[in-house]
Order: sequence, then C-alpha cells, then structure tokens
Amino acid sequence: AQKITQTQPGMFVQEKEAVTLDCTYDTSDPSYGLFWYKQPSSGEMIFLIYQGSYDQQNATEGRYSLNFQKARKSANLVISASQLGDSAMYFCAMREYDTGRRALTFGSGTRLQVQP
Amino acid sequence: EPEVTQTPSHQVTQMGQEVILRCVPISNHLYFYWYRQILGQKVEFLVSFYNNEISEKSEIFDDQFSVERPDGSNFTLKIRSTKLEDSAMYFCASSGGEGTDTQYFGPGTRLTVL
Repeated sequence: AQKITQTQPGMFVQEKEAVTLDCTYDTSDPSYGLFWYKQPSSGEMIFLIYQGSYDQQNATEGRYSLNFQKARKSANLVISASQLGDSAMYFCAMREYDTGRRALTFGSGTRLQVQP
Repeated sequence: EPEVTQTPSHQVTQMGQEVILRCVPISNHLYFYWYRQILGQKVEFLVSFYNNEISEKSEIFDDQFSVERPDGSNFTLKIRSTKLEDSAMYFCASSGGEGTDTQYFGPGTRLTVL
C-alpha cells in the first residue's frame, strides 16, 4: 500500500500567485514526521519544511507553509507568492518514529511550473 | 552553511564493473544514508549507517551493495558488479539524530551503466 500519495503529477501557477501541492499519507504510527523537499532541474534535493504529528500548529518557513489536517492524513504544501525559481519537482516524505526506522518514504512527486 | 557533498557528479561505467560513490556528510552529523532515484521515479531508501555499522537497509540493498566510512569524513557506496538497472541518481544524506532529525541531501551522483 502506498504510504505517501501525491495525486498531482503536474501543476501550473502564475507568478505571484499561491499554489497548494497535495500530499496524503498512511500510517498507524502515532509519532511521525512529514517532510517536503524541492528538486530543481539540476537534480539536488533541498529540504523545505517539516511537520511533526504532535505539532499543534501548522509549520511555516518563509513562503512555505503546511496545511496539516491530521484526521484526514493530509499535509499539503502551500507556496505563497510563487516565483519563477519555484519551478521544480516537489516531494513529500514521511518518517515513522515509533518503529525506530530512519528511512524516509517518498511520494511520487509533483512537478510545479511557474508561468510569468 | 554546512552541506553534504558528493563525488563524482556523473559516473559512466560498463556493466559488470565496480563503482564507488563518495559522500562527505555534514561534519557533526551522526547518521548517514543512501537513496536512489531511477529516472522519472520516486526516491527510494537504500541504507542507513550509524556508529560504523548498517542500522537499516531496504530490499534493494542486496549483496551487490556495500557501504563504508573509511575515515572521519567520507561515506561511500560500492556497487560490486553493476547492472543496467543500477542506472539512477544516487543521493547521500545525513542527519544529526536529534529533534526533527531532518535528513539533508547531497547533490547526487548520476550513475549510468552501459
């Protein structure tokens, strides 16, 4: 079963507008973390933002924020005021803490294209 | 800002040859990882390494693969006899082990097996 699902293979957004990238997850572990990474065309993986399962508030990091809905098991990334440099692949990943495992499980990614 | 580095950026090899991919994790990090990403596919976990031994590995990480920390700074992934299907981007990552334990990734090595 898919643990991380990203249902949007591709998204377009106009420059300066906000965009939401969807991520749903599946776990029975009560303690987990959700990570978003950006992969530009150059290939590197850049950490963007983290949300812990016990965090009371949605995570924010500059123009990035997480819309974390625990009951729905979703952790959508919101990018505000999109810039051309935001064009990239975006991956959602999860780590389950109670298992003792450190491996990240990744979704299939969403390719975001920001249009001028 | 500290970062994970990887060399080479691109490696081309013949099927059946051995390759060694190199990584220098962030200096105060304790946990090291290898992931791979076949072109157009999701990132997959291979192995994690802590205190000079493998702490976790996936089904992908079979006897063809090995990891080593030969000195205080380098972390290597060796593929003994490469196959065509080993062609992928290989990412090294490291984490500090505390708090969120966020894994920071290197720029990757693109391995092409001919």
